[in-house]
Amino acid sequence: AAGVIQSPRHLIKEKRETATLKCYPIPRHDTVYWYQQGPGQDPQFLISFYEKMQSDKGSIPDRFSAQQFSDYHSELNMSSLELGDSALYFCASSGGTHRNNEQFFGPGTRLTVL
Amino acid sequence: GDSVTQMEGPVTLSEEAFLTINCTYTATGYPSLFWYVQYPGEGLQLLLKATKADDKGSNKGFEATYRKETTSFHLEKGSVQVSDSAVYFCALSALDTGRRALTFGSGTRLQVQP
Repeated sequence: AAGVIQSPRHLIKEKRETATLKCYPIPRHDTVYWYQQGPGQDPQFLISFYEKMQSDKGSIPDRFSAQQFSDYHSELNMSSLELGDSALYFCASSGGTHRNNEQFFGPGTRLTVL
Repeated sequence: GDSVTQMEGPVTLSEEAFLTINCTYTATGYPSLFWYVQYPGEGLQLLLKATKADDKGSNKGFEATYRKETTSFHLEKGSVQVSDSAVYFCALSALDTGRRALTFGSGTRLQVQP
């Protein structure tokens, strides 16, 4: 079965640079969530989209923005990167027959800021 | 706001031992409850879920029962294997309050020794 795809899997950036993370949800899923997991931490919700509109907002810094496109894939744009942004970024999708909000997670993008 | 509290790890067990990982929650609405597992270097996988009081979620020998009266969702397994070594996250989402994003506990690392 198709799963959530994230790219790139690993990314290394310098401080103050920008980064773009991409997420491709499971086919027919209409909702995408972004989470940030710092080293040894639990995942923290950043932002979500439903039918290409922002549906909820968590602890996403103002330096970050995201959107969901017409094909339902989503991109997380991160600017003025800081050392503390180094983390694993997960995308999850839900929808279709999973209306009880069962979320399926991608493998994550590991961002390292030097 | 909503929160999840898990027992601290690491939990170290011998193979075939009985496992319990405690999880309690605080929620303003009527949440759905989940257990996710994260193997080293991998993403989050849904282990089991329960959407209403007294529901029992089960998968791969793991079980958890939604206890509304004690606001708990403890994870149990009768006989653990070395391959169960991972980090386990308890999580909730409160669809009835509009917050579909998952709120995670801090995670409990399980180490099973042969």
